[in-house]
Amino acid sequence: DAKTTQPPSMDCAEGRAANLPCNHSTISGNEYVYWYRQIHSQGPQYIIHGLKNNETNEMASLIITEDRKSSTLILPHATLRDTAVYYCIVRVDYTGGFKTIFGAGTRLFVKA
Amino acid sequence: ETGVTQSPTHLIKTRGQQVTLRCSSQSGHNTVSWYQQALGQGPQFIFQYYREEENGRGNFPPRFSGLQFPNYSSELNVNALELDDSALYLCASSFGTQANYGYTFGSGTRLTVV
Repeated sequence: DAKTTQPPSMDCAEGRAANLPCNHSTISGNEYVYWYRQIHSQGPQYIIHGLKNNETNEMASLIITEDRKSSTLILPHATLRDTAVYYCIVRVDYTGGFKTIFGAGTRLFVKA
Repeated sequence: ETGVTQSPTHLIKTRGQQVTLRCSSQSGHNTVSWYQQALGQGPQFIFQYYREEENGRGNFPPRFSGLQFPNYSSELNVNALELDDSALYLCASSFGTQANYGYTFGSGTRLTVV
C-alpha cells in the first residue's frame, strides 16, 4: 500500500555525503514528499519535505526529479549519530481526509 | 514550546482486555495522528483527528477507536486486545490537514499483550 520504495539498507563512511534514494512513481501533483528518520525505536524525527523544487535545511537537502517520480535525501557530512532508519513518505490526500503511508525505510549505517 | 508527549511509556495487558493510550499534541497543533509500529517494521497509519473529527483511517478494525478533545489532546482506545496488538504506538501532531504540514512525533507507548 506504500507509495514509495527504498533500498533496505545502505552504508556510508563518516564525514562523507549519504545519498538516500526513493522512488514514488505514482505520486500525484498535490502530494508532498517527506523524509523522516527513526533512531532506536524512538519517535520518527522530521527531516525535510518538498513538492517540486529542491529543498535544503540545516539537516539535509532534498533533490526531487523533474518528473517527481523519485527523490534523493542528502546528508552532506554523515556522522555516527546519523545511523538510523530513514523513511521516505508521500502524504496522500483523498476526499474527506488523507493517509500517510510509511514504507519499510532504508537502514543507514554510518561507519567510522 | 513543548513537543508531543505520550503516556504511559510502557504497558502490559492481557489478551481480551481494553487499553487507552494518551497523547498531548505540540503547542499550536490541532491535528493528531496515531500509528502502530510492530518490531522491525515501519509505522502503520491507524487514523487521524482534526478539530475533534476523524478525517482519515488506515486498515485497522473498529476495535481501534479514538477521541480528540477541545484542547487537541487525543486518546487511542483498543478493545478486545490480541497478541498481535503488541507494538509501539506513536502519536504525531501537526497544524492543519494540508499536505504541506509536517508531523511532530512523540516517543511512543510500548504495549505488550500477553
